[in-house]
Amino acid sequence: QKEVEQDPGPLSVPEGAIVSLNCTYSNSAFQYFMWYRQYSRKGPELLMYTYSSGNKEDGRFTAQVDKSSKYISLFIRDSQPSDSATYLCAMTYGQNFVFGPGTRLSVLP
Amino acid sequence: GAVVSQHPSRVICKSGTSVKIECRSLDFQATTMFWYRQFPKKSLMLMATSNEGSKATYEQGVEKDKFLINHASLTLSTLTVTSAHPEDSSFYICSARVADRYNEQFFGPGTRLTVL
Repeated sequence: QKEVEQDPGPLSVPEGAIVSLNCTYSNSAFQYFMWYRQYSRKGPELLMYTYSSGNKEDGRFTAQVDKSSKYISLFIRDSQPSDSATYLCAMTYGQNFVFGPGTRLSVLP
Repeated sequence: GAVVSQHPSRVICKSGTSVKIECRSLDFQATTMFWYRQFPKKSLMLMATSNEGSKATYEQGVEKDKFLINHASLTLSTLTVTSAHPEDSSFYICSARVADRYNEQFFGPGTRLTVL
């Protein structure tokens, strides 16, 4: 079993839809959770950073962490074509930093 | 803040030549820098971790003599692909970590290497 699992997609949604992106993990030691967005041929960009279980909101983005289920989510409200990118979850404990494989999202106008 | 640059953004070279890629933290001191490789539509693959002033730690399967990493200062790390071959063609991305923001990595824009 991989440490971090993420549905690779591709996920296609119409503009304005609510998008749900998810990762599961196996190691309960992970403490910090992040979501990165990567446009094609660009470096990843940090979107959200959370520590505890619960929700964190930033504009149209909401990050959710459920440590008891080892499950994290990123919700995008009112999705836009400019949100089309690959979204990578990442998590860390101590010196260990692990990325999920990424989900490719396409928001269709 | 927390901007990381990479140079060059794109390089094309002949087989057998060496290519150097620079990674700079522009507005912070990076105690640790990471080098990743990414194939099209694939996730990031960590190649090595470098701490300023010490030798890089390479991931299993990454040839240290092939991919030379130098982290001579708190704002600069370099990756040199020696005797490049077509199979080394890939997207190389660096990231940097700040000492007091231990759980975040800030990524450069990437370098696309094409070996003919």
